[in-house]
Amino acid sequence: SQQGEEDPQALSIQEGENATMNCSYKTSINNLQWYRQNSGRGLVHLILIRSNEREKHSGRLRVTLDTSKKSSSLLITASRAADTASYFCATTGPYNQGGKLIFGQGTELSVKP
Amino acid sequence: ETGVTQTPRHLVMGMTNKKSLKCEQHLGHNAMYWYKQSAKKPLELMFVYNFKEQTENNSVPSRFSPECPNSSHLFLHLHTLQPEDSALYLCASSQGAGGFDTQYFGPGTRLTVL
Repeated sequence: SQQGEEDPQALSIQEGENATMNCSYKTSINNLQWYRQNSGRGLVHLILIRSNEREKHSGRLRVTLDTSKKSSSLLITASRAADTASYFCATTGPYNQGGKLIFGQGTELSVKP
Repeated sequence: ETGVTQTPRHLVMGMTNKKSLKCEQHLGHNAMYWYKQSAKKPLELMFVYNFKEQTENNSVPSRFSPECPNSSHLFLHLHTLQPEDSALYLCASSQGAGGFDTQYFGPGTRLTVL
């Protein structure tokens, strides 16, 4: 299975601190995506990073990808209470494997004011 | 607002009821998806439609019946469900099928089966 596994399962930090979440997967990928979900709501796409990319930025978000270690990390800098949510990584296999998006179980981030 | 709407937002039904979930996307996408999200489990892909044609059925029980009349609308017809089917059902759309494009999710329907 190429399912992503997030680590830690839960993370609690103070406002202003940085939050780092990790994702590991098992097989080769076309891309890896990070999504955010507020409690009981739909998922919101954050960043897509392709297998030939190593790092991407979007505002306070920084994503890295290490295909040799089959791992990715999501860094949220200067966290805010509004960043409290669940964060999921999802991987897509190569084109010749149909390209299903497979989600991990997520990291629950709590940012305390 | 992601451009994907779902109705109803909450649904409570008995095991003998028949109900339908509706999803509509206003993004001009060609692919639409149904996912199931249960507590403490990863998001599970149920069905994929690409240009109105079903391209994926992830071993979903027949008590779930999808319908895609056009690229903008997706339904999930429910009948004789079980309590373990209680979950958040999420609809998504993307420009192309599969995971090669960003998927845009609706807010979900919280389903409770009594």
